[in-house]
Amino acid sequence: QQPVQSPQAVILREGEDAVINCSSSKALYSVHWYRQKHGEAPVFLMILLKGGEQKGHDKISASFNEKKQQSSLYLTASQLSYSGTYFCGTPAEGKSTFGDGTTLTVKP
Amino acid sequence: DTAVSQTPKYLVTQMGNDKSIKCEQNLGHDTMYWYKQDSKKFLKIMFSYNNKELIINETVPNRFSPKSPDKAHLNLHINSLELGDSAVYFCASSQDAMAHYGYTFGSGTRLTVV
Repeated sequence: QQPVQSPQAVILREGEDAVINCSSSKALYSVHWYRQKHGEAPVFLMILLKGGEQKGHDKISASFNEKKQQSSLYLTASQLSYSGTYFCGTPAEGKSTFGDGTTLTVKP
Repeated sequence: DTAVSQTPKYLVTQMGNDKSIKCEQNLGHDTMYWYKQDSKKFLKIMFSYNNKELIINETVPNRFSPKSPDKAHLNLHINSLELGDSAVYFCASSQDAMAHYGYTFGSGTRLTVV
């Protein structure tokens, strides 16, 4: 089964923060996050390999709670360039199952 | 210096035709994939190859046939195209089959079947 993302869509003003959640009904061993801008390919943001791991990339960070089978992506002080659809993915050998995406719109 | 390149970018064709999409990666990755993204943006795995060997075939109709002549190339041939095949097809690669460093996607091929 694919992971479930929430919210499905969020609209922000520049400088506001957002949290995107990804949860799985199956055991999660690792999670990766991607951003896809309209008409473009998904771009890898980060992967979390261990429960309790947190990572940061500029003002975008993520956490992974293995026991709760969920991961969260945090976008701080959002910029116009953060707009796009964010996907979480649960890697397994030879494939990853992606969530249905969260569309983030940042307005001036 | 495109990392994963796929051609063509757009493909418009009639029902019943046969078409191919080509993909090449210059990253030295071992694993390559085909993903289909439908109109609702859902990304679904179709096939994956590790060092030229097929490792995932995710209940895709037989009309779809991937081929990997070497680990840098993965092509997709589609026979007897149907309206429901219209989608964006992404090629991707990863360093290993567990994608410990994530996927690098190609720019996509938008297939429209009329």
